[in-house]
Amino acid sequence: GAGVSQSPSNKVTEKGKDVELRCDPISGHTALYWYRQRLGQGLEFLIYFQGNSAPDKSGLPSDRFSAERTGESVSTLTIQRTQQEDSAVYLCASSLRGGPNTDTQYFGPGTRLTVL
Amino acid sequence: KQEVTQIPAALSVPEGENLVLNCSFTDSAIYNLQWFRQDPGKGLTSLLLIQSSQREQTSGRLNASLDKSSGRSTLYIAASQPGDSATYLCAVPDSNYQLIWGAGTKLIIKP
Repeated sequence: GAGVSQSPSNKVTEKGKDVELRCDPISGHTALYWYRQRLGQGLEFLIYFQGNSAPDKSGLPSDRFSAERTGESVSTLTIQRTQQEDSAVYLCASSLRGGPNTDTQYFGPGTRLTVL
Repeated sequence: KQEVTQIPAALSVPEGENLVLNCSFTDSAIYNLQWFRQDPGKGLTSLLLIQSSQREQTSGRLNASLDKSSGRSTLYIAASQPGDSATYLCAVPDSNYQLIWGAGTKLIIKP
């Protein structure tokens, strides 16, 4: 079956603009995760959805970042008033189960965001 | 607070050798541990997931072990191939089920 897909694959934007990143998880996966990876650095957890709810939003770097998930499927990560430090690859992952029974996370190819 | 460390940061070995990558974690109360590989310009691929009740998992030439009491996991790669060249990451979920990641081991297999 289809894996996790993300769009766009690349996004170049000007400082101060808003961007929206999309993630389509594997069908039937209840848990969805967003991560950020800056160049040469490790993965940074942003937010986790169990169904359409996000139990913990503390990983979001600032109030310019928001995310939602609808229909226990697609998720969007929105960054308002982008800054140059937002430049990174944004990775989405999904797993069949979340919470204490969390299992293998399957990752999408990522969206490379460049803020000029 | 859970911390994950991977040693070495980089490793270069000739093709055909067996090798071991190390991962350590500070809080042994983990649900599971996952090993991933990341290829340049590509996403992450899950290699193996070991549940907290398991001691090892095998997939092809890969074998991952888990010793919760000592806070360690190893990824053993047998008969390495140039296609194994990638960055290998281990990760464990914390109490909020977020994955806490090691910094990775960059592996280069020389033909």
